[in-house]
Amino acid sequence: DTAVSQTPKYLVTQMGNDKSIKCEQNLGHDTMYWYKQDSKKFLKIMFSYNNKELIINETVPNRFSPKSPDKAHLNLHINSLELGDSAVYFCASSQNSGGAKETQYFGPGTRLLVL
Amino acid sequence: DQQVKQNSPSLSVQEGRISILNCDYTNSMFDYFLWYKKYPAEGPTFLISISSIKDKNEDGRFTVFLNKSAKHLSLHIVPSQPGDSAVYFCAASASGTYKYIFGTGTRLKVLA
Repeated sequence: DTAVSQTPKYLVTQMGNDKSIKCEQNLGHDTMYWYKQDSKKFLKIMFSYNNKELIINETVPNRFSPKSPDKAHLNLHINSLELGDSAVYFCASSQNSGGAKETQYFGPGTRLLVL
Repeated sequence: DQQVKQNSPSLSVQEGRISILNCDYTNSMFDYFLWYKKYPAEGPTFLISISSIKDKNEDGRFTVFLNKSAKHLSLHIVPSQPGDSAVYFCAASASGTYKYIFGTGTRLKVLA
């Protein structure tokens, strides 16, 4: 009964490949997020969706494309993977509109290693 | 442009003593602050938050203090327990935005 789940937990792939990471939340939340934690441990927002609509789109290469089939799922597809994409990717969700004072609940992370 | 800074990458404290974790920010528009705790191979979990209209918020062993004039907040853990050993992230947000800005974390080790 994990609140925010991500698959896969680990992903090792070659440069140039295309891969997807899936996220699901069973909290009934309206807003979902993708964060990237790089080698320097910065945890940075990439995207946010509220009720399947994109509300945050930070400066992220367009090789990254989020997709929200319904408000319980937010998947991240990455085209033409590069070495610099190696990081831990965290999915998160919050209850309502994603406002600044909402608590976000994080998934366990997906460790991506691009060789 | 690091708007939220945690200048101490690590901290060791004896069990039973106080742990004080610090966080500084530069953006005066931030009006909500949070602390998250992270164990290895897990996602961050929410610990405690504070709005800029307050200068202190307490929840059990955890207290967050906010000094707006100094743009500084701190997390106090009293008494510290070995299970508190984790990485602690400070985060900040501004009304009207939809995102948190995180610090780089402080690794706390509580020694038994």
